[in-house]
Amino acid sequence: QVQLQESGPGLVKPSETLSLTCTVSGAPLGSGTDYWTWIRQPAGKGLEWIGRIYSSEYTFFNPSLASRVNMSVDTSKNQFSLSLTSVTAADTALYYCARENWADTHFDYWGQGVQVTVSS
Amino acid sequence: QTVVTQEPAFSVSPGGTVTLTCSLTSEPVAVVHYCSWYKQTPGQPPRTLIYKTTSRSSGVPDRFSGSILGNKAALTITGAQADDDSVYFCALYLGGGGFVFGGGTKVTVL
Repeated sequence: QVQLQESGPGLVKPSETLSLTCTVSGAPLGSGTDYWTWIRQPAGKGLEWIGRIYSSEYTFFNPSLASRVNMSVDTSKNQFSLSLTSVTAADTALYYCARENWADTHFDYWGQGVQVTVSS
Repeated sequence: QTVVTQEPAFSVSPGGTVTLTCSLTSEPVAVVHYCSWYKQTPGQPPRTLIYKTTSRSSGVPDRFSGSILGNKAALTITGAQADDDSVYFCALYLGGGGFVFGGGTKVTVL
């Protein structure tokens, strides 16, 4: 059974960098066979796909966020991370990490989400 | 920017049928968009109901079905139950490799 758990600061100041980590159990990130994604959801609103990382190094980001986003994998800790620079209040959201089932093209395992608020 | 549109809300009686749709502003939705549907209850992450337009996820009751209706993807709930009172999101896979979600439909069963 694949399980994901997000962690990171709940409060980030405007213009600073948001950094989150997703710890995965039940699936080795170093295998290169899965796609790992970040998705966010502002309170009371819809979902926004942020991007994915796969084979530990290849990334693909939402074009609307690509200039500010980066992702990385730490296979020794079985974690993958999200970095979002120059944040504003519009980046306040519940951030989920999820596994993208590349064969069936959907998100089959999700973390519980971590709330991030951008405020001074 | 690609926008995916869903109805904001629907109301359905217990035992009734409701069809939610998912559309693109720029082109008809087709099987190549690999539409997936998710159910989200308060305080929980979304859970897959349907993937690849018509395939039901493991453990999902067969009262949920996915299809293409005209130029939209659709999720139909046949014989709605109280437990179906929830928010439903669709996601479309775009040719460039990314995903776009719809804004969600709140289904009320009463």
